[in-house]
Amino acid sequence: DTAVSQTPKYLVTQMGNDKSIKCEQNLGHDTMYWYKQDSKKFLKIMFSYNNKELIINETVPNRFSPKSPDKAHLNLHINSLELGDSAVYFCASSQDRMDGSYNEQFFGPGTRLTVL
Amino acid sequence: ILNVEQSPQSLHVQEGDSTNFTCSFPSSNFYALHWYRWETAKSPEALFVMTLNGDEKKKGRISATLNTKEGYSYLYIKGSQPEDSATYLCAPKSGGFKTIFGAGTRLFVKA
Repeated sequence: DTAVSQTPKYLVTQMGNDKSIKCEQNLGHDTMYWYKQDSKKFLKIMFSYNNKELIINETVPNRFSPKSPDKAHLNLHINSLELGDSAVYFCASSQDRMDGSYNEQFFGPGTRLTVL
Repeated sequence: ILNVEQSPQSLHVQEGDSTNFTCSFPSSNFYALHWYRWETAKSPEALFVMTLNGDEKKKGRISATLNTKEGYSYLYIKGSQPEDSATYLCAPKSGGFKTIFGAGTRLFVKA
């Protein structure tokens, strides 16, 4: 049983297209994240949802839009894809709570997006 | 927490060597720190979470210490093995939900 799953694992698409990456966690966690692994291999936070509410929204182009239909899912939709969007995108989840308690993040396998 | 630095960027050791690396972070508004292990072509996996100044955690041959007053954490690996080869990320966190990941230390252990 995969704890945090992402689909697809690989995504190759043309510039200008719109695409989505899906993430699901079966851990019962409250908080989910999207990270982008940039060209220097840094993990950069993009978005985070806690109980379906957007709580972190970093400076990313508004072509990127997260959607959380329920606590177990956090999808990432990207409009008008650009060459610079090529990267590996990781989804993660954790059992964070508003009282500040803090557990480790569990990561999905990543989605390698290539924009041609 | 805005600025997380890890050193060295990469490290090449022989099997059996012991090694350590550093994570530096601003000491103000500190809440907790995680160490993650990230093998090539896999996802990061949590090693330790530390919250208190002076915390020491151990998992097999890997251990970590935390100094929140001066803003650093050390990760130690005793008797490195080839399977220890990975990138080790530190991730300090201030109050709230935001975790900042360091760039990592990439460890190569040669058999």
